[in-house]
Amino acid sequence: AQSVTQLDSHVSVSEGTPVLLRCNYSSSYSPSLFWYVQHPNKGLQLLLKYTSAATLVKGINGFEAEFKKSETSFHLTKPSAHMSDAAEYFCVVSELNRDDKIIFGKGTRLHILP
Amino acid sequence: NAGVTQTPKFRILKIGQSMTLQCTQDMNHNYMYWYRQDPGMGLKLIYYSVGAGITDKGEVPNGYNVSRSTTEDFPLRLELAAPSQTSVYFCASSDTGVFGNQPQHFGDGTRLSIL
Repeated sequence: AQSVTQLDSHVSVSEGTPVLLRCNYSSSYSPSLFWYVQHPNKGLQLLLKYTSAATLVKGINGFEAEFKKSETSFHLTKPSAHMSDAAEYFCVVSELNRDDKIIFGKGTRLHILP
Repeated sequence: NAGVTQTPKFRILKIGQSMTLQCTQDMNHNYMYWYRQDPGMGLKLIYYSVGAGITDKGEVPNGYNVSRSTTEDFPLRLELAAPSQTSVYFCASSDTGVFGNQPQHFGDGTRLSIL
């Protein structure tokens, strides 16, 4: 069965410093992995996705994530945080095996300090 | 470019009342989904549809019903509202492809309180 764990419920960084949001997953097959961002009172917006192509995935707004099969991780990074990055971020895993549907992590709230 | 549109944005119901949450998309996507989001719990899949006339249960379907008579619309119905159904509901859609392999486009949500 598939699962996803976001290791931090809250992360605080200063503006201009790097961002690291951690995500570990478990999957029996070849997973598809996604990161979504949710701003207050809005729906989720896709940041990036991994679907068995390049292991380093570049997304919108300067975010990227690296798929590490040996570590079962898909951490999200950004070199320099901006105030507008303050939001909640969700790691999502799905498999080609339909029995397990789509699993969302519980989210990481990113706070940007001035 | 509307994308996924949900109505209403907010609603308060009394226990035992019924209502329908509306969802429509203008991207001609075959796949549509309903989720609920509870604080600190991420999103849980309620129902999904892979095309007009085809629906299937997700992780938390009890207390809900759906229909898919057109490609554009995917309403979610609560027949007997219960306090446990207080949540934020999101509708999403995705392009044709292997289930779960395509990114989803989300509406802005319906905030529902059952009192």
